[in-house]
Formats: sequence, structure tokens, C-alpha cells
Amino acid sequence: NAGVTQTPKFRVLKTGQSMTLLCAQDMNHEYMYWYRQDPGMGLRLIHYSVGEGTTAKGEVPDGYNVSRLKKQNFLLGLESAAPSQTSVYFCASTDPGQSGLAFFGQGTRLTVV
Amino acid sequence: DAKTTQPPSMDCAEGRAANLPCNHSTISGNEYVYWYRQIHSQGPQYIIHGLKNNETNEMASLIITEDRKSSTLILPHATLRDTAVYYCIVRVVLGAGGTSYGKLTFGQGTILTVHP
Repeated sequence: NAGVTQTPKFRVLKTGQSMTLLCAQDMNHEYMYWYRQDPGMGLRLIHYSVGEGTTAKGEVPDGYNVSRLKKQNFLLGLESAAPSQTSVYFCASTDPGQSGLAFFGQGTRLTVV
Repeated sequence: DAKTTQPPSMDCAEGRAANLPCNHSTISGNEYVYWYRQIHSQGPQYIIHGLKNNETNEMASLIITEDRKSSTLILPHATLRDTAVYYCIVRVVLGAGGTSYGKLTFGQGTILTVHP
């Protein structure tokens, strides 16, 4: 049981490049989330999904898109990366049947130069 | 979700109990108190949660005041590996109503440093 797995763990992008971060969970959770964390700050919610085929905006959605084509996967896309998107990205999943506690991945460290 | 207030940092000697306070004076009746921690560069890790009764598990104890406006996370015998940022979060439990969809709102947390 791997829990929540994020791919890749590290990435360096040039300004204007695009990329997709993958989050996979093997706990059959309904809800999935993407957060970003900047130095010295708490986590901020980018987008979330309450089920396959559904997504919604969090508190800092600009510059990002997401998709949830399969229940176990939640993809975060950057169409045109900017230096302001340099951050550590965390994916999480949770389920009503487990008291709502969230499981987090180990993070993706993204640098945009 | 109700806002929480935590001290920015605390120190604790190894082997001693670490008591981390959290104020949540605007907590609603259907909101639970959750505690997570984040060890350097890792993803946050769930510790414990409760509604109004005190809770204990293998990691920690959670003491919630009778008026539910504050709580304390207790690590009974802190070790060096407990050095981390501790987040206190209040939110509606999924399925208990509301539209929070389990979103966790993280504040700044408390940096706990356990020293030898």
C-alpha cells in the first residue's frame, strides 16, 4: 500500500515551459487536493476534486489547471510556467469513510528559472 | 472553517512532554479539531483529531477545553524526531454537512524544536 505518490519529485523548468504533475493514490479515496507551499509559509490550496470527472478551484488557482479522469489520479498542469510558481507542491487525498483525515504525498519541488 | 491561532515556535527538552496550544475561539458546533505535523521537506502527517472529548492515540493526546475554544496537543515523551511544524486545523468532518469537502486550511503552525 503506497498511499499517495507524486511524480516527479524534483523538476527545473524554464519560464514559459509546460509540465504536468501526477498524483496517484491507492486508497480508493473520493477527494483529492493540490497544495503549494512556499518558504516559511503554510500550505495553500490550488485545486481540489470531489470525485472522478469533477474539479474545483481553491484559494490560489491562477496559472494552474487540473484533471481527474480516473478516480486514483489527479493531475496538476502548468501551461506556461512562471518564476512565481517556484514552490513545493503537495497532493493529498481523503475520504468520508475514514473520518476525513488526509493523506499527503511527499511533495514535488519545482523550480522555474 | 474556523481560524486558529498558534504560537510561532516552542522548545522542548528530549524526554519531556511537549504541550502545544491552539486557540479556536470561533469554532462551530460541528467542527472538529485536527492536528497535523510536517517534518522538514516532507508531506504533512496526520496526528490526531477530536470533537469535544479528550483523545489519545499512539502518537499523542488531545485535550479540548469544555467550551471548545482552545485545545492542547501533548507529545508525552518528545524525541528529536518530533522536531517539526505542528498545525492545528478546525473543520467540518466530511459527511457532517457543509461544503468544505474536507479542505484543510493551514495557518503558520508552531515550529517545535526538541533539543537534547
